[in-house]
Formats: sequence, structure tokens, C-alpha cells
Amino acid sequence: AQTVTQSQPEMSVQEAETVTLSCTYDTSENNYYLFWYKQPPSRQMILVIRQEAYKQQNATENRFSVNFQKAAKSFSLKISDSQLGDTAMYFCAFMKTNTGKLIFGQGTTLQVKP
Amino acid sequence: GAVVSQHPSRVICKSGTSVKIECRSLDFQATTMFWYRQFPKQSLMLMATSNEGSKATYEQGVEKDKFLINHASLTLSTLTVTSAHPEDSSFYICSARGGDSNQPQHFGDGTRLSIL
Repeated sequence: AQTVTQSQPEMSVQEAETVTLSCTYDTSENNYYLFWYKQPPSRQMILVIRQEAYKQQNATENRFSVNFQKAAKSFSLKISDSQLGDTAMYFCAFMKTNTGKLIFGQGTTLQVKP
Repeated sequence: GAVVSQHPSRVICKSGTSVKIECRSLDFQATTMFWYRQFPKQSLMLMATSNEGSKATYEQGVEKDKFLINHASLTLSTLTVTSAHPEDSSFYICSARGGDSNQPQHFGDGTRLSIL
């Protein structure tokens, strides 16, 4: 069975600085997808970034980028130039190809301080 | 695009009541919908997967007679919590996906259910 681990329950960062959220996963699959979702206080789930395991290039979406280390089964999220609106709970998620089922990590609560 | 509407956003009701939550894809056809449960400050736990026109597939430990799921059309799935009790109080979130299984899921805004 696949598992996703986020070892940082809470983190904080000063506005405009950079922060990295950690995620590791365990799987025997070779083809899969990894995601980072953001859940602000409104509790809406927002897709931040997505990575296909077969792609070596790390995904980037504006201020958000990932460091995908397939051999180490690590998938960290870097947020650059942090903004107050980035305050939220962040979930790392794994999806095995062709199943469509997301397996979420425990989440990391990020507080951006002014 | 890819908007998912979930209704109601908040329900408060007495123990023993059955509660129905709707999940609609507004601008795409959702071949598959997912129902999650989330306790405060915890992760999302998948409860069941439903495909249009077929029976839902429940995750281990989820009572299918307690949580009835219907996915009668390509734009609507419903979750009914039957004879709800205080321990069923939680945040329920649906998601919907169109196309093949590698397409991303789009989430509704969730329903906060409180059973008195």
C-alpha cells in the first residue's frame, strides 16, 4: 500500500521569504502522479502543483516549485516570495496511474507572518 | 472551468436524522466522483469512489449502509448519511473528475455536518 508522510505539522515563514515543505512517500509503483494541494481557512481544496513521476524535470507554477527526487521518494514544495495569502494547510498527495485515487499526507500548516 | 458545487455548506441536525449532501459538476461531465471525510486539522480520508451509473466502491472501514452514495448522472452525486449520530459530525468534501483516471480531481467547498 502507498503511504504519504509529511513530517512537519506546522511551519512559519516571514512574508517575502522562501519556505520548503517536506513530503516523502512509499510505493512500489513506477508510474504515478504527485500533487500539492492548499487548503486555506475557507477549507476549499486548491491544486497548487502536479508532477508526473516519469518526468525528470521539476514542475513549477509561478512562485511554487517542487524538488522531486524519485529514487529517494521525496517531493518537497518550495514557496518563494511568501505572501500572506499563502497561509493555509498544505497536503502532499500520491496517485497511482490509472486508479484516480488520491492518498493524502497528514498536512502541514503554514503560517506566513507579516 | 472545472467548477464543482457542493450543497449544503453547513448542516446542523438532531441525532437520528438522515442528511443528504449534493455534489455537482457545473461545467464538465464527471465520470467519477469521490467522497472524503476530514476531521479538524487532519487529512482527507477517502470514503468511497462512485462512477456514473454504477455502485459506489467503499474504502475499508466505511459502512456502506450508513453512507449511501448515488451517482445517477454525469453531473450529480449524492451522499446520504443515514440515521446520523454525533460521531458522524465532520467535514465532508466531494471531488469530481472527467475523462480518464489520470485527469486531476476538482474539489467542492465541503459540507460541515454537526449532529446534536
